[in-house]
Parts: sequence; C-alpha cells; structure tokens
Amino acid sequence: QVQLQESGPGLVKPSETLSLTCTVSGGSVSSGSFYWNWIRQPPGKGLEWIGYIYYSGNTNYNPSLKSRVTISEDTSKNQFSLKLSSVTAADTAVYYCASLGRYCTNSVCYDSLDIWGQGTMVTVSS
Amino acid sequence: DIQMTQSPSSLSASVGDRVTVTCRASQSISRYLNWYQQKPGKAPKILIYAASSLHSGVPSRFSGGGSGTDFTLTISSLQPEDFATYYCQQSYNTLLTFGGGTKVEIK
Repeated sequence: QVQLQESGPGLVKPSETLSLTCTVSGGSVSSGSFYWNWIRQPPGKGLEWIGYIYYSGNTNYNPSLKSRVTISEDTSKNQFSLKLSSVTAADTAVYYCASLGRYCTNSVCYDSLDIWGQGTMVTVSS
Repeated sequence: DIQMTQSPSSLSASVGDRVTVTCRASQSISRYLNWYQQKPGKAPKILIYAASSLHSGVPSRFSGGGSGTDFTLTISSLQPEDFATYYCQQSYNTLLTFGGGTKVEIK
C-alpha cells in the first residue's frame, strides 16, 4: 500500500520560494502507474489542485499557478517535490501530496485522488 | 476551467437522517466525478469515484449518482462519524477542480 509523507519548512518569507517534498513508500515514484499531485487548502477554505508529475518527469500545472510552480521528482530518494516562487500571504495553506489512481471499466478509465499525505501547514510571513 | 458548484454549503442533520449533497459542473463531465470526505485537521479521503462507484472500504450507506452536469452524494442513514465536509471533484479534463465543499453538522 502506497503511503505519502510531506516535509519542508513551515514558515516562508514573502517573495521567497516555498519548497516541499513528498516521500513515497510502498510504491515507486518512477512507476508509470501513478500521477503524483500537489493540492493546497488555505485555512478555512476549499481545495485547490496545484499540479502533478508523471512518467519520466512529465508535468501538468494549474494555469493559475503555472508561472510560479515547478514539480520535480528524485527517483533515487523516491520523492517528488514542489517549488512555488514569489510567495505571498495568499499562499499560506496546508499543502497535501496525493496520488491519482486510475480505475478502468469497459475500456473507460476514471481517475481519483485515492491516497493522500497527512498535509503540512506552510505560513507565508515575515 | 470546469467550475464545480456544490449545494448547500452547509447543512444540519441528525443521526439517522438521509442526507443529499448536490454538485453541478459548468459543462458536461460524463461520469468523471469523485466525492471526498474531510474531517477537521485531516486529509480528504476518497469516497466515490466515477460518479457512483464506492471506493474500497467505504460504508454502503454512501452512494453517488448522476452524469453529465448534475451529481448527488447521498448518505442513507447519517452516523456520528459522518459529520465532516464533503467535496466533489471532476477529472474530466487535466485541470482538476473541486467544488467549494458542503459541511455536514450535527443538529
């Protein structure tokens, strides 16, 4: 069973770069079976998908964040990472990593975020 | 972007009640609709995928329905552990989007 664990600084200064890592256990980050996602949730608010990385480093980002986001993988450590540049207070949130599982029936496939890390709170403040 | 709109944003119900949450997509998404449950301080958990398929280990009192633009999540008999916030999410296109959430509270 795949398990995910986020790690990184809990406090980032405005205009700096937020950097988080998600460690994968029970599965391989280089497996073509999984899409590895980052999602965030500002305090008291809803969920926002940030982007994912899959199969040999291909990425897909939310257009609203695309200019500031980089998701990468480190296969030697079985980890994937998030970098968000030029942060402001609006980037204060709980950040989750999650895997996108695929279920196929009658040649139609459906994706869902079926495994989540516990989340890590990041505050942007000077 | 495909906008997902949930209603109501919150509701109060009693243990044993039948509860229905609605999710509407801004365009047709076929059955590419998932439902999640989130409790305070915890990560969301998948309940239902493909609009109506129950994820492994999810109690049968949860059910999903709909296709196209209109979807429902129903809890047939609300249990104490079901008080939480519920989110819908579309996977029709590669820009994943969530509904705003429905908080189910104790009456």
